Amino acid sequence: EDQVTQSPEALRLQEGESSSLNCSYTVSGLRGLFWYRQDPGKGPEFLFTLYSAGEEKEKERLKATLTKKESFLHITAPKPEDSATYLCAVQANTNAGKSTFGDGTTLTVKP
Amino acid sequence: GAVVSQHPSWVICKSGTSVKIECRSLDFQATTMFWYRQFPKQSLMLMATSNEGSKATYEQGVEKDKFLINHASLTLSTLTVTSAHPEDSSFYICSARLAGDQETQYFGPGTRLLVL
Repeated sequence: EDQVTQSPEALRLQEGESSSLNCSYTVSGLRGLFWYRQDPGKGPEFLFTLYSAGEEKEKERLKATLTKKESFLHITAPKPEDSATYLCAVQANTNAGKSTFGDGTTLTVKP
Repeated sequence: GAVVSQHPSWVICKSGTSVKIECRSLDFQATTMFWYRQFPKQSLMLMATSNEGSKATYEQGVEKDKFLINHASLTLSTLTVTSAHPEDSSFYICSARLAGDQETQYFGPGTRLLVL
């Protein structure tokens, strides 16, 4: 069974204080690993897809990396508007396109 | 591009009534849509996979007679919660996948259901 574990559960940063969020996964043949941002009361917003170990993707202050066992979402010099819950999900090659989600990391950035 | 809408955004109903939630892909065709529910401080739990023109595939533990899914066109899927009870109160979110893209899901804004 595919599993996704995200840590920490919550993270509080000062504006400008860089950090990383972790997503550990086990999957029977990774098709893709996804990062989403979810604001309270809203649906998830797609950020990145990573397909193979060693791959990296960037978007503004966010950079996602992937190894065979985990993914990191690095946040450089965060701003208060980066406050949200960040969700990680995996898709297996043999799972008909279904994604398994982690519980998320809630990031709060204080000005 | 890849915008998904849901209607209504929130609904309050009495126990025993049925509630229909619509999920539309506004600027693309979606052969597959997914329905999730999310409880407070928890992650998304997949309820069912909806394929256009065929019966939905439900996840283990999800009652197909209670959560009716219809995917009648390439841009619309509906979830009907039949005979809703307070324990059905939750945040329901749909997602859609572009035809030809087997991976990326685009999510709707969610529907908050409160059953009194």
